[in-house]
Amino acid sequence: DAGVIQSPRHEVTEMGQEVTLRCKPISGHDYLFWYRQTMMRGLELLIYFNNNVPIDDSGMPEDRFSAKMPNASFSTLKIQPSEPRDSAVYFCASSLDGRPYNEQFFGPGTRLTVL
Amino acid sequence: AQTVTQSQPEMSVQEAETVTLSCTYDTSESDYYLFWYKQPPSRQMILVIRQEAYKQQNATENRFSVNFQKAAKSFSLKISDSQLGDAAMYFCAYRSPTAGGTSYGKLTFGQGTILTVHP
Repeated sequence: DAGVIQSPRHEVTEMGQEVTLRCKPISGHDYLFWYRQTMMRGLELLIYFNNNVPIDDSGMPEDRFSAKMPNASFSTLKIQPSEPRDSAVYFCASSLDGRPYNEQFFGPGTRLTVL
Repeated sequence: AQTVTQSQPEMSVQEAETVTLSCTYDTSESDYYLFWYKQPPSRQMILVIRQEAYKQQNATENRFSVNFQKAAKSFSLKISDSQLGDAAMYFCAYRSPTAGGTSYGKLTFGQGTILTVHP
């Protein structure tokens, strides 16, 4: 398996623009997670899905952020409008199921820079 | 809420030597799961080792082992025979037990420790 795939790897945009980050989880995994990593706040869970349904979005910072999972093999994280403080590395991860011992497999991340 | 603390922002070790990375956590739960993830310069987070709180025996994966002290809420990672490829940021993570249904016990990460390996 190719692992979790994220695109783009790098994104540079200007304040006010819409940004869409994409993720393809590992085939057969039931759970998908979006994380944000910054120097100040470390690694934070934004939202997670189970079988394409959002379960917990309490980590989404504000209404400018939205996430969708239209099918089992694709998810997007959208920021509209983007702001400089959104600059971070965004990770997508997937897990086979909800058993606590199971590993989360991470993608390579998208480094977002908002100018 | 659970918190995870890694008190060593940076550590260094000579190649072939042993190094221990510290992690403490705060929780009121009796059953939980602990993980160490490695993040090399490529940014990819890779699972190194995991431990179930109800297991007394410390987990071991090749050169990596943990010292799990449940009463002290401590979960340190020992890397033996350090190699240049071990250089990375290491994250300790705590996971709550699943609440049932579709709930997934939240994974809480520490701030990370940057490990440098000197040849």
